[in-house]
Amino acid sequence: AQKVTQAQTEISVVEKEDVTLDCVYETRDTTYYLFWYKQPPSGELVFLIRRNSFDEQNEISGRYSWNFQKSTSSFNFTITASQVVDSAVYFCALSNQAGTALIFGKGTTLSVSS
Amino acid sequence: SQTIHQWPATLVQPVGSPLSLECTVEGTSNPNLYWYRQAAGRGLQLLFYSVGIGQISSEVPQNLSASRPQDRQFILSSKKLLLSDSGFYLCAWSVGDREINTEAFFGQGTRLTVV
Repeated sequence: AQKVTQAQTEISVVEKEDVTLDCVYETRDTTYYLFWYKQPPSGELVFLIRRNSFDEQNEISGRYSWNFQKSTSSFNFTITASQVVDSAVYFCALSNQAGTALIFGKGTTLSVSS
Repeated sequence: SQTIHQWPATLVQPVGSPLSLECTVEGTSNPNLYWYRQAAGRGLQLLFYSVGIGQISSEVPQNLSASRPQDRQFILSSKKLLLSDSGFYLCAWSVGDREINTEAFFGQGTRLTVV
């Protein structure tokens, strides 16, 4: 069975702090895809990144970085120098096959205060 | 560019009334389409997905149903709403390419309150 666990329900930080959101996944497939989405208060989910199981290189995009480790089945997301606008619910998701839907974790609510 | 439209944005319906939420996608052909539900304080639950016209897969047994009458139209329905149907409903699409799995793009959601 496929499963995504985001153990951190809520995280509160002060602006400029770095914060890491954890994501642990379970799958029996050798080919799979991992995703992160951001859900701001408006409700719409915003796609952030997709990573396939054969690419373990870490990725950096501005203040965002992602650490994919197959050995621990983790795909963690770090925000450097957090800002108030980063406040949102962040979802990690897993997909095993083309044409099937993403399985989401329960999300981590990040609150960044000024 | 591709866009996804979902309506209405908010809806208050009495228990036992019918439901119809509509979602349309523009700028792409043969997309994969999805309905998700997000209950208060919980994650996203996949309800239905479709890889083509008339092809609907249901993930969770419930009193909801979905239909895809046209390539880029996806409808979520219920004959009689329950209180437990309250939640935030999100429609999404992804590229309908079976060789590569791609990210899904979401609509703005419908907040349904059953009273």
